[in-house]
Amino acid sequence: GQQVMQIPQYQHVQEGEDFTTYCNSSTTLSNIQWYKQRPGGHPVFLIQLVKSGEVKKQKRLTFQFGEAKKNSSLHITATQTTDVGTYFCAGYIGGSNYKLTFGKGTLLTVNP
Amino acid sequence: DAGITQSPRYKITETGRQVTLMCHQTWSHSYMFWYRQDLGHGLRLIYYSAAADITDKGEVPDGYVVSRSKTENFPLTLESATRSQTSVYFCASRDLSYEQYFGPGTRLTVT
Repeated sequence: GQQVMQIPQYQHVQEGEDFTTYCNSSTTLSNIQWYKQRPGGHPVFLIQLVKSGEVKKQKRLTFQFGEAKKNSSLHITATQTTDVGTYFCAGYIGGSNYKLTFGKGTLLTVNP
Repeated sequence: DAGITQSPRYKITETGRQVTLMCHQTWSHSYMFWYRQDLGHGLRLIYYSAAADITDKGEVPDGYVVSRSKTENFPLTLESATRSQTSVYFCASRDLSYEQYFGPGTRLTVT
């Protein structure tokens, strides 16, 4: 079954508001990845976090990996309409380095 | 610089028919994957391949067959399509850094 949980499932914001999506795993992850899928498009890799407590930034996006390597978050500051899409977290579970398990994603919509 | 391509992009088929979805990548990545994406389920792994002639089941393999005779190609066959296999299918490949590159997807409808 699904071992990577992601919340919320949907989030609607006004342009300029912040947005955060959370990812939790029942087991320790060797690393965690984040992908973005625009409506009608395909998932596109955003970032990979490997170290416990790691924080990475990409312009307005901030990614964190929990100390126990079981949770992660993606925070977007001052959302723009170009941020619309579904954000997925994904992790390699159970020692596998090829079977990526995806969360169900958070669909972000932005009202201009 | 095509990267990873899928064909067809859209397919309508009838229940019981065999259909093959094609995936081709130009990077010579060793790993390739097939996912299906359904509302409420996210992306689920069907099959993956670590190299030519090496394939293994993912989370939802029933009703699907794969082959990988060449590194660049990874076709997915539905032997006898069912309505429950109506979905969007994504092929992906992976480099040494573990990030996956997805194809544009095939939207399959089984009537």
